[in-house]
Amino acid sequence: DAGVIQSPRHEVTEMGQEVTLRCKPISGHDYLFWYRQTMMRGLELLIYFNNNVPIDDSGMPEDRFSAKMPNASFSTLKIQPSEPRDSAVYFCASSPLRLDEQYFGPGTRLTVT
Amino acid sequence: RKEVEQDPGPFNVPEGATVAFNCTYSNSASQSFFWYRQDCRKEPKLLMSVYSSGNEDGRFTAQLNRASQYISLLIRDSKLSDSATYLCVVIHGFSGGYNKLIFGAGTRLAVHP
Repeated sequence: DAGVIQSPRHEVTEMGQEVTLRCKPISGHDYLFWYRQTMMRGLELLIYFNNNVPIDDSGMPEDRFSAKMPNASFSTLKIQPSEPRDSAVYFCASSPLRLDEQYFGPGTRLTVT
Repeated sequence: RKEVEQDPGPFNVPEGATVAFNCTYSNSASQSFFWYRQDCRKEPKLLMSVYSSGNEDGRFTAQLNRASQYISLLIRDSKLSDSATYLCVVIHGFSGGYNKLIFGAGTRLAVHP
């Protein structure tokens, strides 16, 4: 199995630009999670989906962030407009049946200048 | 007060030492508990679940103390390869009818020769 795939692995953009992060979960996994990790705030759950439906989006920082899961094999996290404080590593994870056994992707390192 | 708290460390220990970390949680209705391991600049990976009766996996022992609302991770005979950040995860039911998942900020372990 290829594991969770994220793209791009690194993204550098200027403030105000739109950023789209992509995730392909492990085939057959019902849950998909988006996280953000910074030194200051640690690992924060942004949103998670069950069977493509958003379940808990209480961690989404503000309206600039949006996440979609149009089908079982693809999800996006979009930031528009981006700000320097959005700089972080964004992880996507998937889980087969439960919330606990999560398999993380390698992450996208985002730098907003 | 944070919902899940960990001592950030770092814990600096020599090879062969025994080290223990605690993770406290504030929601007494929390249902499930886990330990994840994260190597530097890598994604988190599930280390072990924490059961009410405690569980052991080789050199690692996880325990739950519901009365005092904390979980612990004990590592015996530390190896250099155990150097990593250890994240606790707590899951509890939420009034919205779904499960809420919270990561601790992590405890950093450095094992030296």
